[in-house]
Amino acid sequence: NAGVMQNPRHLVRRRGQEARLRCSPMKGHSHVYWYRQLPEEGLKFMVYLQKENIIDESGMPKERFSAEFPKEGPSILRIQQVVRGDSAAYFCASSRTGGDDTEAFFGQGTRLTVV
Amino acid sequence: GEDVEQSLFLSVREGDSSVINCTYTDSSSTYLYWYKQEPGAGLQLLTYIFSNMDMKQDQRLTVLLNKKDKHLSLRIADTQTGDSAIYFCAPRGSSNTGKLIFGQGTTLQVKP
Repeated sequence: NAGVMQNPRHLVRRRGQEARLRCSPMKGHSHVYWYRQLPEEGLKFMVYLQKENIIDESGMPKERFSAEFPKEGPSILRIQQVVRGDSAAYFCASSRTGGDDTEAFFGQGTRLTVV
Repeated sequence: GEDVEQSLFLSVREGDSSVINCTYTDSSSTYLYWYKQEPGAGLQLLTYIFSNMDMKQDQRLTVLLNKKDKHLSLRIADTQTGDSAIYFCAPRGSSNTGKLIFGQGTTLQVKP
């Protein structure tokens, strides 16, 4: 049973380009969380999705950022018109349910560098 | 909003015990997790404690929870160089969406 798969592991974008980060949850998991880790900081929650639904996007910046988790395929975190401040590691986690007692498994992360 | 505080750095000698402390503000957190992050890697779940417990032991790891003071600690016995990493305390948020609230992380340096 493969773990949470994120790709690409490293992504370099020029300012103004779009970044698309992919996350395939563990088999049997229908809940996906995206977190951002800025250099020298902890992880900050961005968005929580279930299949085809956004459950909680309270941590998402209001502009340029969007996320989806379609019925088929991976979850996508999309950042439009990237700026240098978007440079960070983006982690995806998945869980079987969304309850308190469910363990979340993390992917290896995508390290985005905006030049 | 919810907040989690950890000391940023801890240095110990190999074979000693390490104690990493964490304080949090959300008193309704029911599960409190400890994650380990090695350089350039994702997060690995180490252990967790349910809020109605005071202590949980798992091999070299001991978690202590003082719910009244909202204080959580992770003790690593017989610390090894392979334990060098960043350790994150992460209570489960009270909103029942399952999201984790992370502290800044404690960098543990183990000297041979």
